[in-house]
This record gives sequence, C-alpha cells and structure tokens, in this order.
Amino acid sequence: GESVGLHLPTLSVQEGDNSIINCAYSNSASDYFIWYKQESGKGPQFIIDIRSNMDKRQGQRVTVLLNKTVKHLSLQIAATQPGDSAVYFCAENSGGSQGNLIFGKGTKLSVKP
Amino acid sequence: EAQVTQNPRYLITVTGKKLTVTCSQNMNHEYMSWYRQDPGLGLRQIYYSMNVEVTDKGDVPEGYKVSRKEKRNFPLILESPSPNQTSLYFCASSFLAGGSGELFFGEGSRLTVL
Repeated sequence: GESVGLHLPTLSVQEGDNSIINCAYSNSASDYFIWYKQESGKGPQFIIDIRSNMDKRQGQRVTVLLNKTVKHLSLQIAATQPGDSAVYFCAENSGGSQGNLIFGKGTKLSVKP
Repeated sequence: EAQVTQNPRYLITVTGKKLTVTCSQNMNHEYMSWYRQDPGLGLRQIYYSMNVEVTDKGDVPEGYKVSRKEKRNFPLILESPSPNQTSLYFCASSFLAGGSGELFFGEGSRLTVL
C-alpha cells in the first residue's frame, strides 16, 4: 500500500472499543468541516461533515463534535472494527470563492483484533 | 458507478520528460481539483477548477499546469518533471465548490521522477 501513514500520530484501539480522533483546525472563520478516511492504497473517502452552526452530528457508528471556542473537531467511532483501520483526515473550509478545503495531517487508526 | 478515474496509477519517469496524468469524472461535477500527498505534509492542493475553462492555482502550483476544456476531464500536466515532484497525486471532484459539498477522490497516481 501507499506510505501515507509515515510520520503520523497513531491511535491503537481494541476491536469493539470506541475510538476518538481529534483535530485542531486553524481558521476561526471556517464554516464547514469534513472527516475523510483513507485506506491503504486508496483515495480519501468522505465519512461525515458538519457546518459551523452545529456542534454535533451523527451518522452510522460515527459522530462528529465541533467546539468552535477552542477550534477543535473530533470524530468518534463506536464499536471500532478491523475495517476501520485507516488514516483519518479532518478538513476545513473558510468560505470564499476559492472553495479550497484545507486538510489536516491525519491520524492513523489501528484496530487490534 | 459514480467515480473519479485517474491514469496512470503508477509511473516512473526521468527528469525533464513531459507527462500528463488524466482525470475523468462521470458525475457531472462542476468543481475539480488536484492534490499531492507527501509523508508528513498531508494533502496539498495544486490547482482547482470551478467550471469549464475556469482554473486557478492552489497552494503548490509551481511546476504544474492544468486544463479544463470539458466538464468531465481535468488533466494535470508536468511540462518538465523534477525529482521533487515525486509524490502521490489525487484528483477530486465535487458538485459544488470544494467547501460546499463532498469531495470525491480518485484512487491516486504514484509518480516517481528519477
């Protein structure tokens, strides 16, 4: 697979446990945030998004929490499975015409069976 | 199947030999973008396109060109590749501009410049 996992913070969890991946974003004007999952050898894949007028959003087994006061975003994965092993990126968009998402460096999640 | 297709997936070339990485999407998306991914640096935007014939520089455009003659295609051109362009490249598309909707990524193109 591709070596995108080098130099990344790693979170190791036991199968069945809950995982929490954290992300600090940079721009207080950012109004839209996305979490992506990247499996080895593949492109990033959308997981869940949240707009700045919300502080929590839930999907299937995933929850995103947004704390605008401290510019912090987290992704919670319930009952983590081996298939959840991947690199997870947060991305922020500060609006404007450019429409450029700024990606975090990523966190590698390893799930132990 | 809705997808973003990049070619080639893997390429080894030599310094100075022009190459093009093609990108095609079948979702009728307005917005397309190219990223490079390097260990420790994450995903960095090279160029993006809001619509046909509208392209603009991202964060790391030096050494690259793009074109958007048709909605579905957004090729990345390296006129004179150099070793510092050795990287993993991703094309992405979105129905709306990158901050308004989900980005769909291709599978990546691993480029090595010797």
